[in-house]
Amino acid sequence: EAGVTQSPTHLIKTRGQQATLRCSPISGHTSVYWYQQALGLGLQFLLWYDEGEERNRGNFPPRFSGRQFPNYSSELNVNALELEDSALYLCASSFINPSEQYFGPGTRLTVT
Amino acid sequence: SQQGEEDPQALSIQEGENATMNCSYKTSINNLQWYRQNSGRGLVHLILIRSNEREKHSGRLRVTLDTSKKSSSLLITASRAADTASYFCATAGIKAAGNKLTFGGGTRVLVKP
Repeated sequence: EAGVTQSPTHLIKTRGQQATLRCSPISGHTSVYWYQQALGLGLQFLLWYDEGEERNRGNFPPRFSGRQFPNYSSELNVNALELEDSALYLCASSFINPSEQYFGPGTRLTVT
Repeated sequence: SQQGEEDPQALSIQEGENATMNCSYKTSINNLQWYRQNSGRGLVHLILIRSNEREKHSGRLRVTLDTSKKSSSLLITASRAADTASYFCATAGIKAAGNKLTFGGGTRVLVKP
């Protein structure tokens, strides 16, 4: 069974640009979660999508947004990039037990 | 904010030794999970222990949970060089605050051959 996949592996953007990160959940999983792992800040919850709807978001500004598609894959969009947005962005998915989340390999975003 | 605090922050052991790391948390939980992260890549789910469980085993891993002390420990027995990684505990609250996991700061484990 394929795990959670994320693309791209690495992304380099300049300040002010927009970044789009993609995630495909494990087959059968309906929930997708996004987390940010920034240096010195640890793993922070960003967004939770389930059945196409945003269910919860962490303490991040509105320029962090996303969506979930009918096939349960998800996009994370970060607008007006700032240097401090440089981080590893991890996507996770879950099904029956919502808190048992399985993570993808991450997208490393570098903002210069 | 971080729910869990992990101790120690870093651990260096010889191959074959046991590695023990601890996690403390602040609020009541539904369950607690441990994850491994290699070289800043994705998280690998190791084990989940529910709030009504006190101990759980999976291969060379042993997890304990003490809800009265709001703490958990992860023991890796007979460590191998491949166990070198960062280990994180993550909690899911009783009210399942939007299903998010709250992570500790992690323990960096170095297993020397």
